[in-house]
Amino acid sequence: SQTIHQWPATLVQPVGSPLSLECTVEGTSNPNLYWYRQAAGRGLQLLFYSIGIDQISSEVPQNLSASRPQDRQFILSSKKLLLSDSGFYLCAWSVLGTGREKLFFGSGTQLSVL
Amino acid sequence: KQEVTQIPAALSVPEGENLVLNCSFTDSAIYNLQWFRQDPGKGLTSLLLIQSSQREQTSGRLNASLDKSSGRSTLYIAASQPGDSATYLCAAPSGSARQLTFGSGTQLTVLP
Repeated sequence: SQTIHQWPATLVQPVGSPLSLECTVEGTSNPNLYWYRQAAGRGLQLLFYSIGIDQISSEVPQNLSASRPQDRQFILSSKKLLLSDSGFYLCAWSVLGTGREKLFFGSGTQLSVL
Repeated sequence: KQEVTQIPAALSVPEGENLVLNCSFTDSAIYNLQWFRQDPGKGLTSLLLIQSSQREQTSGRLNASLDKSSGRSTLYIAASQPGDSATYLCAAPSGSARQLTFGSGTQLTVLP
């Protein structure tokens, strides 16, 4: 069966510090991978999605970047965090295809930028 | 641009009641709609996915319906239990095939 791992679960970082959140998927090949952000009291916002290694699309302009160095590994990064980067970050995957498949989410990372 | 609205934002019911959560979307040219559950501080769990060719999808005590013409979906929970307490989110495709637009969710509390 497929599983998705996301870490760390919580993170407190000062403004201006770098960020690296990692997500890995097991039990499947060539998944679509996604990074979402959920701000307090708001819906989920798609940040990045990837259909393959080094194939990443950004949905919103921001202080963040994403990389996919391996088929089942997706990394969210920032060189300098802003206060507005605080939120709940979720990695997700779906079966590679038309994009009409179910989304499966990781357990999330609560990021607090102080 | 797809917009998804969920009403009510919060709902509190006594255990055993049947309840309906509502989801509306503005762009009816969707090929599916998904319902998710989110427990506090946790990721989302997929509950049901309804394809555009379907009108209903059932899983246990959950039943989701989809009416594309009216831009609405409902999630029906039968015989609610305290363990059903969570935030329920619906999501509809927006723009590119891989982008989902999420509603802000309905926070459900089932009182024992």
